[in-house]
Amino acid sequence: QQQVKQSPQSLIVQKGGISIINCAYENTAFDYFPWYQQFPGKGPALLIAIRPDVSEKKEGRFTISFNKSAKQFSLHIMDSQPGDSATYFCAASPHPYKYIFGTGTRLKVLA
Amino acid sequence: DVKVTQSSRYLVKRTGEKVFLECVQDMDHENMFWYRQDPGLGLRLIYFSYDVKMKEKGDIPEGYSVSREKKERFSLILESASTNQTSMYLCASSLGKEPQHFGDGTRLSIL
Repeated sequence: QQQVKQSPQSLIVQKGGISIINCAYENTAFDYFPWYQQFPGKGPALLIAIRPDVSEKKEGRFTISFNKSAKQFSLHIMDSQPGDSATYFCAASPHPYKYIFGTGTRLKVLA
Repeated sequence: DVKVTQSSRYLVKRTGEKVFLECVQDMDHENMFWYRQDPGLGLRLIYFSYDVKMKEKGDIPEGYSVSREKKERFSLILESASTNQTSMYLCASSLGKEPQHFGDGTRLSIL
């Protein structure tokens, strides 16, 4: 299966809270899992990425948790800020060049 | 910084017209991609190219073609535009297995 299922579709979080976005995949051949952040009027920009040989990767307030046996991965945004309000896409790569994207999560952080 | 430039931010065309969307990258990337982005559907791959004059179909190639005559330029062609091709079109490029870099998109309306 080539799908990547992303949830929730939208998320509202208070400033300072934790935002959590989940993704699930079925194809065990996927070997690269990037997250992209997209602001209105802009293209997606790489936020953070992980390979399946590690269970967690942290960059500042952003953390990817990866569960290989469950075929799930998630993005955690700690201390969420209004400037984090954007659409987030997870992706998985079954091929050196190709990505399969999730359907996106629209995050709104309330001031 | 990688720069992926899409020639138009907004484009309005009529059904049946032949439409060209242009994308240029300035980092000598061998891989280039065309996606369309629709609400609730995420990013779906239309075509990609891993070398000059090489192309491969993505997940939704019907009604589209591409051209890559020079390494830095990748064109998406709508042979006979239809209203169901109204969408946001995103171009991306990458070097080998490195992450994809996106342009800011072309919002295309077919009337």
